[in-house]
Amino acid sequence: EVQLVETGGGLVQPGRSLKLSCVASGFTFNNYWMSWTRQAPGKGLEWVASITNSGGSTYYPDSVKGRFTISRDNAQNTLYLQMNSLRSEDTATYYCTREKQLRYWYFDFWGPGTMVTVSS
Amino acid sequence: DVQMTQSPSNLAASPGESVSINCKASKSISKYLAWYQQKPGKANKLLIYSGSTLQSGTPSRFSGSGSGTDFTLTIRNLEPEDFGLYYCQQHNEYPPTFGAGTKLELK
Repeated sequence: EVQLVETGGGLVQPGRSLKLSCVASGFTFNNYWMSWTRQAPGKGLEWVASITNSGGSTYYPDSVKGRFTISRDNAQNTLYLQMNSLRSEDTATYYCTREKQLRYWYFDFWGPGTMVTVSS
Repeated sequence: DVQMTQSPSNLAASPGESVSINCKASKSISKYLAWYQQKPGKANKLLIYSGSTLQSGTPSRFSGSGSGTDFTLTIRNLEPEDFGLYYCQQHNEYPPTFGAGTKLELK
């Protein structure tokens, strides 16, 4: 059974940093691209970052480019999201997602999410 | 970026009924549309990808149709567990983008 479990969320002040982790199990982690997707309270879903299965390439939307860094440790089956220079608009539940590619990316498994609140 | 517009935003129905949720892209996305279900306390679930291909484990009462800019998710013979939020997402071009969601509520 595929499982994705995120940790690391919490309350953080604007301008500070936070690092999220996602432990994967139930599949061969290093065979899959992985992503982070987020959902602000009461809002829709927004893709945040993707990483290739080797970790050699990463992708971000303009809203987080230069502030967020996705990485992975294939030996530990763990995905990370380093978030720097956090803003109030980054307040959201962050989901670890497994990617599939058909043309571009969709997300076949999701974790339960970890909440990040950016506030002073 | 491709903008995805879902309609309606809210939908009320009773078990046993059939419902349709629409998703419109701001430009052609060929057939590359995914549908997700979101329920409180549960992980989001992929239902359909490539417009009409059911993800493994998706009940056959769910179906997807459409191509180009207009897509529909149809749920026939609603079950109690089908009530929740539904999102569409285009996977035709970078970056992947989602609709704002449709809330399916019990009438």
